[in-house]
Amino acid sequence: SQTIHQWPATLVQPVGSPLSLECTVEGTSNPNLYWYRQAAGRGLQLLFYSVGIGQISSEVPQNLSASRPQDRQFILSSKKLLLSDSGFYLCAWSLGQGRNQPQHFGDGTRLSIL
Amino acid sequence: AQKVTQAQTEISVVEKEDVTLDCVYETRDTTYYLFWYKQPPSGELVFLIRRNSFDEQNEISGRYSWNFQKSTSSFNFTITASQVVDSAVYFCALSNTGNQFYFGTGTSLTVIP
Repeated sequence: SQTIHQWPATLVQPVGSPLSLECTVEGTSNPNLYWYRQAAGRGLQLLFYSVGIGQISSEVPQNLSASRPQDRQFILSSKKLLLSDSGFYLCAWSLGQGRNQPQHFGDGTRLSIL
Repeated sequence: AQKVTQAQTEISVVEKEDVTLDCVYETRDTTYYLFWYKQPPSGELVFLIRRNSFDEQNEISGRYSWNFQKSTSSFNFTITASQVVDSAVYFCALSNTGNQFYFGTGTSLTVIP
């Protein structure tokens, strides 16, 4: 069966520090991968999605970036964190071929910027 | 443009009551998919159901049921005989072209024992 791992579970970082959140999927090949942010108030904001290695689509311009160095690895990064980057970050995967496939989510990372 | 609206921000019910969570969507596509997710306090989103635009048959799974009506662009979710474990935030989502999902803002359900 497929599983998704996301770490760390919680992270406290000072403003201006770098960020690296990692997400890996097991049990499937060539998944679609997604990064979401959920700020206070619950809404899910799609940040990035990827349909293959090295293919990244950005939905919201900001100081975050994403990379997919391997088929089942998706990394969310920042060179300098802002206070507004605080939130709950969720990684998700779905089978390829898009729209009819449900997304399956990791446990999330709670990021607090001080 | 694609949009999902969950007008109910918060709902509270007493245990064993039935509760319906509303979801209204907008899309110009004729083929699309609708989803419901549950987010318990622990944070992870749990997939509940998928429905495609050509299948308007309602579905029941235990205490959960879903009512899809294309005429009103709605995909409502009913929990029968609610339990405390149903307390969570519930998201409705739409997927049409490409690989993107459009999530509603969620409905926070509290079931009071």
